[in-house]
Amino acid sequence: NAGVMQNPRHLVRRRGQEARLRCSPMKGHSHVYWYRQLPEEGLKFMVYLQKENIIDESGMPKERFSAEFPKEGPSILRIQQVVRGDSAAYFCASSPEGGLQETQYFGPGTRLLVL
Amino acid sequence: DQQVKQNSPSLSVQEGRISILNCDYTNSMFDYFLWYKKYPAEGPTFLISISSIKDKNEDGRFTVFLNKSAKHLSLHIVPSQPGDSAVYFCAARYLGNEKLTFGTGTRLTIIP
Repeated sequence: NAGVMQNPRHLVRRRGQEARLRCSPMKGHSHVYWYRQLPEEGLKFMVYLQKENIIDESGMPKERFSAEFPKEGPSILRIQQVVRGDSAAYFCASSPEGGLQETQYFGPGTRLLVL
Repeated sequence: DQQVKQNSPSLSVQEGRISILNCDYTNSMFDYFLWYKKYPAEGPTFLISISSIKDKNEDGRFTVFLNKSAKHLSLHIVPSQPGDSAVYFCAARYLGNEKLTFGTGTRLTIIP
């Protein structure tokens, strides 16, 4: 009974490159959330997706960041033209349904370092 | 604007004693609260939650108390064990808004 899987666990990019982070939700879960944790801070919501739909992207920076959750395959968080300030831990969470009392289960995170 | 606040960045507790972690919130729309535990280099692990219609929820060694009028919740761990050493995050959400709003975390150290 695998949990939420994220890869890669660590990613190093130079300024201006692209970063692609992948998230496979728990089996049976159709709701995916992405959060970012900057050093010494709490997790900050970025985007909420269901299969093929972005439900809430209120936490996503307006430029360079995009997310998708296709019908087949993992959810992808894409950061174009990375800058040093993008260095952070990116966590994906999933839940079986939406709703107030649905618990979100987190993956181990991808630690992005921009040189 | 920090809507969920954990004002103690760290806490040390003797093994076997009670650990009390505190969390305050400012958004009166929040009506569901969760505690997560996080070890270094891992993702947050769900511990316990509470709905705003309750003032207490218990699960084994973990109890969460909610004081809606004070906009305050606390997590009690008793007895504390060395494996409880981790960072604890308080999170909140409200109906119709799926995202979790997290506090900045409290690092709990259990002293053997």
